[in-house]
Amino acid sequence: QKEVEQNSGPLSVPEGAIASLNCTYSDRGSQSFFWYRQYSGKSPELIMFIYSNGDKEDGRFTAQLNKASQYVSLLIRDSQPSDSATYLCAVKSFQKLVFGTGTRLLVSP
Amino acid sequence: GAGVSQSPRYKVAKRGQDVALRCDPISGHVSLFWYQQALGQGPEFLTYFQNEAQLDKSGLPSDRFFAERPEGSVSTLKIQRTQQEDSAVYLCASSLVGAGGDQPQHFGDGTRLSIL
Repeated sequence: QKEVEQNSGPLSVPEGAIASLNCTYSDRGSQSFFWYRQYSGKSPELIMFIYSNGDKEDGRFTAQLNKASQYVSLLIRDSQPSDSATYLCAVKSFQKLVFGTGTRLLVSP
Repeated sequence: GAGVSQSPRYKVAKRGQDVALRCDPISGHVSLFWYQQALGQGPEFLTYFQNEAQLDKSGLPSDRFFAERPEGSVSTLKIQRTQQEDSAVYLCASSLVGAGGDQPQHFGDGTRLSIL
């Protein structure tokens, strides 16, 4: 079992819809969780981080964390074509980040 | 800008050559990380520095890989006797605090290494 698992996609949603990206992790002791967006050929760009159970909202983005279920998700409201990218879930292990393989999101006009 | 700067952006080398990749972190960032990203995969951890001290090198795939950060700022990742499987994007990231802190890591644009 990989430490951080994501569905590779692609996840296709129409413009204006809610995109839901999911991630599970294996280390029950993990405390810090990060979502990065990566456009093709570009570096990962931090979108959100979350440490506590529950929801954290920032603009169109909401991160959700459920430590009991070892599950973290990212919701993107009012999806735009410019949101089309690969979304990487990362879990902090000691100091390093352990990444999933990423979910490719396609938002169609 | 004041982001993480990596050079060169692209590097092509013949198998067996040595290469050196440079990372200039965000000013004042204590922690510096190197990751390797293969095509279609997430980044994988290579090594971590807190100031000039290399605290974790557990991700370096072989003794051909060597990293240093002698003055606690700029870091160099060196790969000796390159092999085709070393072809990947090498990402550098930095963050504000060291052990115990939870500042997010900010990534540079990476160096795309191709071994022929």
